Amino acid sequence: EVQLVESGGGLVQPGGSLRLSCAASEFTFSSYSMNWVRQAPGKGLEWVSYISSGGSAIYYADSVKGRFTISRDNAKNSLYLQMNSLRDEDTAVYYCARRNSNYNFDYWGQGTLVTVSS
Amino acid sequence: DIQMTQSPSTLSASVGDRVTITCRASQSISSWLAWYQQKPGKAPKLLIYKASSLESGVPSRFSGSGSGTEFTLTISSLQPDDFATYYCQQYNSYSGTFGHGTKVEVK
Repeated sequence: EVQLVESGGGLVQPGGSLRLSCAASEFTFSSYSMNWVRQAPGKGLEWVSYISSGGSAIYYADSVKGRFTISRDNAKNSLYLQMNSLRDEDTAVYYCARRNSNYNFDYWGQGTLVTVSS
Repeated sequence: DIQMTQSPSTLSASVGDRVTITCRASQSISSWLAWYQQKPGKAPKLLIYKASSLESGVPSRFSGSGSGTEFTLTISSLQPDDFATYYCQQYNSYSGTFGHGTKVEVK
């Protein structure tokens, strides 16, 4: 069964940094593009970032552009999100999600909570 | 950027009801639309892709229709397990914008 497991969330002060990881298993990670999606408490889903299977194409939501960096290590079957200059409004559960050949997000991790607060 | 508008934001219904949720795109996205179901504390689950294709394992009471800018998700006979929040998502562009969600609650 495909598994995506996020880690790295926690409490951080405004202006601080955090690095999220997503460990993938039971599928050929290097063949799939990946995404980060977040959900603020009690709010809807917000797409954050996309990275192609080989890492050559990367896109960000305007709300995180210039502050967040997505990357991947196909040898380690891992996806990352480096988050800098964190703001209160970045508080959310962060999900990694696999994008399949139909361009849909067919598998999601369980999410990791990031809380930005002083 | 493509904006997605869902309606209604909340829907009160009873078991056995036919339920319809609408999603509108700010520009044409052809059939590049998906629907997800999310329950509290859980990750979203893919229900429908390419506007009308049922994801494997999803009950046939769920169906999707539409193209261009107007789309609908229909639950033909609401079951107890279907009380949840539903999101549409466009993937015409890499941004993968989601609608704001429709919560289906017990009437």
